[in-house]
Amino acid sequence: DGGITQSPKYLFRKEGQNVTLSCEQNLNHDAMYWYRQDPGQGLRLIYYSQIVNDFQKGDIAEGYSVSREKKESFPLTVTSAQKNPTAFYLCASSMRDRREAFFGQGTRLTVV
Amino acid sequence: SQKIEQNSEALNIQEGKTATLTCNYTNYSPAYLQWYRQDPGRGPVFLLLIRENEKEKRKERLKVTFDTTLKQSLFHITASQPADSATYLCALEAGGFKTIFGAGTRLFVKA
Repeated sequence: DGGITQSPKYLFRKEGQNVTLSCEQNLNHDAMYWYRQDPGQGLRLIYYSQIVNDFQKGDIAEGYSVSREKKESFPLTVTSAQKNPTAFYLCASSMRDRREAFFGQGTRLTVV
Repeated sequence: SQKIEQNSEALNIQEGKTATLTCNYTNYSPAYLQWYRQDPGRGPVFLLLIRENEKEKRKERLKVTFDTTLKQSLFHITASQPADSATYLCALEAGGFKTIFGAGTRLFVKA
């Protein structure tokens, strides 16, 4: 089955630690995205990538980093510089000539 | 600044009625608009896309309208069912590959 997989589903981080969220897709999509969702707010774009080895900052990129070494993979690192990292993180992908996005099931990150 | 507004209050309707959700935007001229469904603790699922030159789009019990003059989209679910209960997100193309999402409206359909 084609799809987009995020792992882990739940993640706990101590303050001062970096953590990496995984996102893998086997849909052969060129574009991939990371969003953050907080209660009562819309999805906010963190980073997006249109092709391998290229990515752009979204609206709230500070404190986050990404890489796109393979078409299938777009991991997100939440660094210690992100002051309020507790949130629901969503990864998505889309075809270059289509705009509808396919989302993963999300990773809920909690700082303890 | 660019802004998308969806009714933050939950919408409660009776089974069988038509649910109508609203999406308003300012400072955008999007080429297309999308609607997604999101269930608690899960990722959004794409429902419909409507382009700026389309007034209306239908898919089974779903209908979307797009008024670029009013800067508004309406999302209708006819013959609603309890299984339609979810949060519905409006999303706009914001240039290039960027898509901006609204906060969503929660819909509750009572049996």
